[in-house]
Amino acid sequence: TQLLEQSPQFLSIQEGENLTVYCNSSSVFSSLQWYRQEPGEGPVLLVTVVTGGEVKKLKRLTFQFGDARKDSSLHITAAQPGDTGLYLCAAYQTGANNLFFGTGTRLTVIP
Amino acid sequence: GAGVSQSPRYKVAKRGQDVALRCDPISGHVSLFWYQQALGQGPEFLTYFQNEAQLDKSGLPSDRFFAERPEGSVSTLKIQRTQQEDSAVYLCASSLARAGGNQPQHFGDGTRLSIL
Repeated sequence: TQLLEQSPQFLSIQEGENLTVYCNSSSVFSSLQWYRQEPGEGPVLLVTVVTGGEVKKLKRLTFQFGDARKDSSLHITAAQPGDTGLYLCAAYQTGANNLFFGTGTRLTVIP
Repeated sequence: GAGVSQSPRYKVAKRGQDVALRCDPISGHVSLFWYQQALGQGPEFLTYFQNEAQLDKSGLPSDRFFAERPEGSVSTLKIQRTQQEDSAVYLCASSLARAGGNQPQHFGDGTRLSIL
């Protein structure tokens, strides 16, 4: 059983389309992070959300933390080929030293 | 560079051989983590160091895996008597302070290990 379940697992869309990626859990987290990983590279932090209901925007990317702090979503507007990559949500579980990562969403944006 | 550096980038070994993977964290970072990432999956935690102390090794899959950070900076992950299931990308990450909370982790580009 995965602590963080992401959906969809794979997503292939045309340039200019919008998309949403979901990260769900039955656990409550004090914060949640989103990373993007490109082939052959390590994950790079995009954003950290802390407060239930919080919305953060990073250019065309909008991140939301659920009110109950159990889930999060990433919405991309007008996707570009440069958005292609593996999107990972991650969180620290209470008392744990390490980040738990979600199952990942592999996004391909076709020009 | 100022980022986390891992070497080698690629390692091919025959089943049964021992391998050693190196991580140079960002200078001054207290925390260092090792993760294992299977193809198409998210990284999975292996072990955590706070300075030179290995505070958590709960993710190491077997006693063939061993990690050290003797001087609180460079770390080495060693895998003895490698098996095919050890094939994966091994990621190292560091963070400025102690683990937990909202600490962002800075990742290296990983070592891709292939066991033949």
